[in-house]
Amino acid sequence: GAGVSQSPRYKVAKRGQDVALRCDPISGHVSLFWYQQALGQGPEFLTYFQNEAQLDKSGLPSDRFFAERPEGSVSTLKIQRTQQEDSAVYLCASSFRTGEGYTFGSGTRLTVV
Amino acid sequence: LAKTTQPISMDSYEGQEVNITCSHNNIATNDYITWYQQFPSQGPRFIIQGYKTKVTNEVASLFIPADRKSSTLSLPRVSLSDTAVYYCLVGPDRGSTLGRLYFGRGTQLTVWP
Repeated sequence: GAGVSQSPRYKVAKRGQDVALRCDPISGHVSLFWYQQALGQGPEFLTYFQNEAQLDKSGLPSDRFFAERPEGSVSTLKIQRTQQEDSAVYLCASSFRTGEGYTFGSGTRLTVV
Repeated sequence: LAKTTQPISMDSYEGQEVNITCSHNNIATNDYITWYQQFPSQGPRFIIQGYKTKVTNEVASLFIPADRKSSTLSLPRVSLSDTAVYYCLVGPDRGSTLGRLYFGRGTQLTVWP
């Protein structure tokens, strides 16, 4: 596609519910990143994939967060047993090569009630 | 320890040149300096990236002094549509395959008519 596509655009979850957020990167982009952005803050790194390999997951805040990219293209960020502090915008970015400017999607705004 | 320091907010008028300076005293030898722009409800958008001296593209110029401890993003003749948050980042590492980016809180630029 022309850009990075994320779905859903908005998600409201009840506390304790599991959610899955999807990212469709630009076709052919090897690198894929997930970021979390709280209101009024800059994006915070969560995890990074190169093709299907998850090379860095040091930013995932707890073991309730899990990301996968099984075929090296689409990625899913899963959050189990959501908590109110998980409310944020979750951004996905991709790039053809590490070091080049990353293209971000518009994000998924998650609200946990 | 914050990787970058930049003003929280700046104001300008249409048609003026805007310079946003960022401090990064602890920048690593191999780190790029990268700037992103973010509009409300959108993901960050890559503006410009450099390593040393001056870089110019169709959108902005980036000035980097020899010691690389600061950088200045220059936006010529801003318009109302340049109102956004601007992030200064150090990274990614030129020699790394990871490419993790660290965002700060950014500078909210407001352009007035």
